[in-house]
Amino acid sequence: DTEVTQTPKHLVMGMTNKKSLKCEQHMGHRAMYWYKQKAKKPPELMFVYSYEKLSINESVPSRFSPECPNSSLLNLHLHALQPEDSALYLCASSQGGSMTSSSYEQYFGPGTRLTVT
Amino acid sequence: AQKITQTQPGMFVQEKEAVTLDCTYDTSDPSYGLFWYKQPSSGEMIFLIYQGSYDQQNATEGRYSLNFQKARKSANLVISASQLGDSAMYFCAMSSTGGYQKVTFGTGTKLQVIP
Repeated sequence: DTEVTQTPKHLVMGMTNKKSLKCEQHMGHRAMYWYKQKAKKPPELMFVYSYEKLSINESVPSRFSPECPNSSLLNLHLHALQPEDSALYLCASSQGGSMTSSSYEQYFGPGTRLTVT
Repeated sequence: AQKITQTQPGMFVQEKEAVTLDCTYDTSDPSYGLFWYKQPSSGEMIFLIYQGSYDQQNATEGRYSLNFQKARKSANLVISASQLGDSAMYFCAMSSTGGYQKVTFGTGTKLQVIP
């Protein structure tokens, strides 16, 4: 099973709303990722969790708050977003949990298309 | 710092023909990994193929093969016998010992397969 699931598929929220994106994998992977992708651009790394601990934060604004409740789940809490935050948010996981060991390929979920109005 | 360059913003290929998507990279790390991903219009990133920097042989996965030329720092993707379902955006990416979890993506090539 190489599946990463993400919910919801689409989300429309106002700038004062609080919402959460969810990601789940059951491959026993020890690293999980959040990416943001604008139209016609490559994915941009936001956060990496390794063994359920935040290992990389790419200077993401605090209105994005990641959480890793257990090794299979990854959440992204959203609060007071701006219209420019509208994008496709991709979750991924990989086998490698160490920064210095090869993580091989990352498996991506289908993404959540977020629109901030 | 590592950098991935994809110089072909768009490509066309006739159905059943082979096509090569170019990718060059730059890194000072001795150990790194190179990946190709496919992203259809639906948005999901699909892993296609992986090549490790110390792998002696070029990676192959079904109709996909990676033409790895280490001295030229190139990692081109070859798709044989193109199918209509191959129409998508293709991203070349790399990771390195400086942080295997930090994958750098190229800007992508949009491939369109013509019937």
